Order: sequence, then C-alpha cells, then structure tokens
Amino acid sequence: GAGVSQSPSNKVTEKGKDVELRCDPISGHTALYWYRQSLGQGLEFLIYFQGNSAPDKSGLPSDRFSAERTGGSVSTLTIQRTQQEDSAVYLCASSLVSLAGSSYNEQFFGPGTRLTVL
Amino acid sequence: AQSVSQHNHHVILSEAASLELGCNYSYGGTVNLFWYVQYPGQHLQLLLKYFSGDPLVKGIKGFEAEFIKSKFSFNLRKPSVQWSDTAEYFCAVMRNRDDKIIFGKGTRLHILP
Repeated sequence: GAGVSQSPSNKVTEKGKDVELRCDPISGHTALYWYRQSLGQGLEFLIYFQGNSAPDKSGLPSDRFSAERTGGSVSTLTIQRTQQEDSAVYLCASSLVSLAGSSYNEQFFGPGTRLTVL
Repeated sequence: AQSVSQHNHHVILSEAASLELGCNYSYGGTVNLFWYVQYPGQHLQLLLKYFSGDPLVKGIKGFEAEFIKSKFSFNLRKPSVQWSDTAEYFCAVMRNRDDKIIFGKGTRLHILP
C-alpha cells in the first residue's frame, strides 16, 4: 500500500508530560528503525526492530525512552517525563530486510513527527 | 564514537559546477553503504547504495559514488549540479556485525541559480 506513515505530524507538549509517537511501516517490511533528527546533528539512531529478534536499543538516550513493535507491524515510541532537549523530529523507517550484503536494504522513511517540548 | 563522518556541513555551489561530498566510516568489517537525500519539505529518499560488486555505484539524477575500501570512503559525486539539487545529503553505513544503519550528520547543499 502506501509508504511509511507517522502520527501525529506535530506534537506540542509541556515539560514533564509523557508522549507517544506512532509509526505504521510498509506492509511486509521486517525491519523498523527510529531516528531523531535535530538541527546540525543529522539522524541519531534510537532503536531498531528486526523480525522477531530482540530490538537493538543501544541508541536510546535515556531510560525515559522506550519503544515497542506489536505484531511485527506498528511501532510506538514513548518518551516519559519529556524535557526540552527532547524537542526534535522523530523519524521512522522500514525496510524489507535489514541484512548486510542484501540488495533489499533500502530504508523507506516516514514524514516524521515534530515534537516540541515547552 | 561517530562511525560515519561527513566532512562538509554546508556546501554552496553555482549551477553546472562539479560536486563531491565526502563520507568516511570507521568500521573495519564488511559494510553496505548508502547516500540519502532530503529535499526541502520532503521525506528522506535513497539516492544510491553499495552492497557488493562494482565499487562505482550509479544512482538517480546523475549522482554516483565510489567505494574505496582502503580509504574507508564512499564519496558522492555529480559532474554538473542543478539548482534542483539543493537539499541535505546523508551518508549511511550498515555494519555486518549488527545490521544496524548509522547515518552521518548530513551535508547541506545549496545551489545558486
């Protein structure tokens, strides 16, 4: 069907509140990534899911950040007790596979969620 | 430590000039390499990728990149840029030890008409 979708497109919240960001990957894609894009910082890797394997959480900046992927499809990134430094665009990407050496490693990106923490 | 380095943060060129954007990575094992582009107001999209075979890779819109293993580099080139190439360009590396894709900090390219 359509490409990767993310919701909401914009989220403004107050410091200390929790937020949930949603990603709907392309149907059939086994790999799903979350990145954070800040001005001048490029794309910061957060977490990656590959099929039924345990997720790689090595990029999560603190224990306030968590993510889950239900049924191998939709993913939710949760930020608890938001801080002003969490303000950024959060990008989700999916790919058919995520395996070094494969020609199917192309990531398809969603439009992102712009998070502003006041 | 940063695994992917893009040396040029902001590049300004005139139309028809030649372009080369640098990308180096620090991982010594087998890698897959990518260049992505983000046009103003649009999603990130794949420009080209290397996964095996010919180290000179051709992508969309006249872009190409060369994988030089000995230099850990994957520089992006275009012989003659156009105003429509104004965008931010990201180099990315997939490491075979964990299949994770890591991005560089990006290069903002501004083409003067």
